[in-house]
Parts: sequence; structure tokens; C-alpha cells
Amino acid sequence: NAGVMQNPRHLVRRRGQEARLRCSPMKGHSHVYWYRQLPEEGLKFMVYLQKENIIDESGMPKERFSAEFPKEGPSILRIQQVVRGDSAAYFCASSPSGVEAFFGQGTRLTVV
Amino acid sequence: GEDVEQSLFLSVREGDSSVINCTYTDSSSTYLYWYKQEPGAGLQLLTYIFSNMDMKQDQRLTVLLNKKDKHLSLRIADTQTGDSAIYFCAESGEAAGNKLTFGGGTRVLVKP
Repeated sequence: NAGVMQNPRHLVRRRGQEARLRCSPMKGHSHVYWYRQLPEEGLKFMVYLQKENIIDESGMPKERFSAEFPKEGPSILRIQQVVRGDSAAYFCASSPSGVEAFFGQGTRLTVV
Repeated sequence: GEDVEQSLFLSVREGDSSVINCTYTDSSSTYLYWYKQEPGAGLQLLTYIFSNMDMKQDQRLTVLLNKKDKHLSLRIADTQTGDSAIYFCAESGEAAGNKLTFGGGTRVLVKP
């Protein structure tokens, strides 16, 4: 059973471009969470999804950020019109039940 | 809102025991977790404890929970150089969809 797969591992975007981060949960896991880690800080919750549904997006910035977890395919975190402050590591976690969450290796976004 | 606090840094000699401490404020926390993060990597779930337990042991790891004081600790016996990493404490509650609230992390340095 492969772990949580995130791609790309590293992403460089110019200011104003769009960033698309992908997360394939572990097999059998229907709960997906996205977290953001700023340099030298802990992880902050962004959004919690189940298949085709956003359950909790209380940690998502109100503008430019969106997330989806379609019936088929990976979960996508999309950041439009990126700014330097979006530079961070973005981690996805999946869980079969919501109790044990397993993290991917993360996508390190750099905005130049 | 919820808050999780950890000390920033711990230095320990190889072979000694390490104790990492964490405090939290949310009295409705259901589960408390310890994650390990090595440089450039994702988070590895080490162990977790249900809030109605006061101790859990798993090989070299011992978790102690004082629910009254909202204090959680992780003891690593016979610390090895491979244990050098950042350790994150986190809490979650079923009412919050089991999203994790993380502390800022404790950087553990194991000296030979």
C-alpha cells in the first residue's frame, strides 16, 4: 500500500501565476486534509474534504485558494495569482476514519 | 481558539532518555498525537493517545497524558542519532472533524 503521494515535490511560480498541488490519498482512505507549513513554524490546517465534498474550509484564505477532491482522481489544492507570502510547504494527509492521519512528503512552493 | 505549546529545542546525549513536553488548551480534545519530521520530509506519525488514557507505551516511546493539567509528554528511551528531528505535538477533536492543531515543534538534537 503506497503512502500518500503528493506532486510535484517542488514547484516554482512567478507572482501572478497559478499553482496546482496534487494529492493521492492512501488506498481506502476517504478523508483528505491539507495543511500549510511556513518556514520555521508548525503546520496550520487549511481544508478537510471527503469525496466530492468540502467538509471544513475554515483554514483556507478567503480569496485565491480552492480545493477539491473529485470522485475520480487526486485531491487538488489550487492557488490563483500567487504572491510571495504563499511560499510554504503544503502537506496533504489522508485518513481512513479521521483518527490516524498519514502525511505525504509535501509540495514546497516557491514564489519568485 | 485551540492552542498547543511546545518548547523549541532539546539537546540530549546518545543513549540517554529524551522527554519532550507539550501543553494544550482545548478541553474537548479527543486524541493527542506525536509526529516526527526530518529535514525536507513529511510528517511521520509516531504514536497517539485517546484522551481517556493516561499512558501508552510502544517500544522505545512512552506517552504520558495529564488531562487535568492538559499536559502531554513523549519519552524516547535510549535516544539514537537517528532520533534527531523536529517533533510535533498535535490534538484533534471529533467535533472539529478530527482536523489537527499542531504545536510549533521541538527540535531535538542528539549528540554522540
